[in-house]
Amino acid sequence: AQSVTQLGSHVSVSEGALVLLRCNYSSSVPPYLFWYVQYPNQGLQLLLKYTSAATLVKGINGFEAEFKKSETSFHLTKPSAHMSDAAEYFCAVSQNTGFQKLVFGTGTRLLVSP
Amino acid sequence: SAVISQKPSRDICQRGTSLTIQCQVDSQVTMMFWYRQQPGQSLTLIATANQGSEATYESGFVIDKFPISRPNLTFSTLTVSNMSPEDSSIYLCSVEGARLDGYTFGSGTRLTVV
Repeated sequence: AQSVTQLGSHVSVSEGALVLLRCNYSSSVPPYLFWYVQYPNQGLQLLLKYTSAATLVKGINGFEAEFKKSETSFHLTKPSAHMSDAAEYFCAVSQNTGFQKLVFGTGTRLLVSP
Repeated sequence: SAVISQKPSRDICQRGTSLTIQCQVDSQVTMMFWYRQQPGQSLTLIATANQGSEATYESGFVIDKFPISRPNLTFSTLTVSNMSPEDSSIYLCSVEGARLDGYTFGSGTRLTVV
């Protein structure tokens, strides 16, 4: 079975500071990994995805994530936070063969202060 | 990627009644997924809907409570039956994109049961 653990239900940063949101996964088969963002009262938007190509994945809005198999991690980073980055972020995993059900982590709320 | 139109966007319903949520996709897709996001929590898969067959429900979800229709390759409905306040959640439909494209989500239906 696959699972995702997101460390920290809330992360607070100052505007301009580094953003680091942590995600560790568990999967018995090679995984596909995703980061989604959810702004207040909206649906989910795909930020980036890892699908067994390059381990460093660049996404939208300046975010990137690095797949580290040895650490079973897929942490999301952004060099400089903007106020508009304040949202809920979800890490998700699916298997890359057969039926691809998404399993989500519990989410991390990013708070950005001026 | 696919564009999903989901409606209603929100509703307030009386307990004991039912609500049907519609999800329309702008392209043909094999699988459609229905998720529930309870207040302050992550997304949980309710069921997977394939056209022409019965939906497959996840553990803890049953067809009598959440009947799903999938009449064609671009449309699906989820009904929340005999509602109680515990059903107050955001319900989202999702489709898998083309290979390696990730999943696209509808904007969600925010349901409040009073």
